[in-house]
Amino acid sequence: QQPVQSPQAVILREGEDAVINCSSSKALYSVHWYRQKHGEAPVFLMILLKGGEQKGHDKISASFNEKKQQSSLYLTASQLSYSGTYFCGTEKGGSQGNLIFGKGTKLSVKP
Amino acid sequence: KAGVTQTPRYLIKTRGQQVTLSCSPISGHRSVSWYQQTPGQGLQFLFEYFSETQRNKGNFPGRFSGRQFSNSRSEMNVSTLELGDSALYLCASSSTGRLNTEAFFGQGTRLTVV
Repeated sequence: QQPVQSPQAVILREGEDAVINCSSSKALYSVHWYRQKHGEAPVFLMILLKGGEQKGHDKISASFNEKKQQSSLYLTASQLSYSGTYFCGTEKGGSQGNLIFGKGTKLSVKP
Repeated sequence: KAGVTQTPRYLIKTRGQQVTLSCSPISGHRSVSWYQQTPGQGLQFLFEYFSETQRNKGNFPGRFSGRQFSNSRSEMNVSTLELGDSALYLCASSSTGRLNTEAFFGQGTRLTVV
């Protein structure tokens, strides 16, 4: 089942913070976060694994609550370059090729 | 290191025709996944190939098929095109496809069916 992302869209001023949430109705082993700018390929941000392992960019932080089947992506002191659509992906099982992505959260950062 | 290359970037086809899209993964990557992206449905998983074998498959009709060659390059084919197949088709490569491994996406092929 497709994870649910919230909010669907958010508008920020530079320097403001934002949280993007991703929740699933099924038990998860991992959550993957990607950002896609208009007309560009999705870019990897973060992987969070059951058990606490994380892998991603230093300037990005995220959490994964295994019991609640939820993940949150924290964007602090936002910059114009943070604008884009953020997708969370959860695995259906097996390998990464089975990722099921949410519908995305569109983030716009204004000067 | 070259990124993931998808060709062609844009394609216009007529309903009923078939189309083949190509994806060259990052050198050394053995896993290639394909996704369909539309405004309404977002990113939907089509299939994944690893070492020339289809490892996973999404919920798409049999008109959608793919293959992977010994050099890890992958192709996907859509037969009997329908208007609803118009979408951005993305491929992603990763070294192993394991869940702790990041995936790298190509720029995509924008398919328009008229």
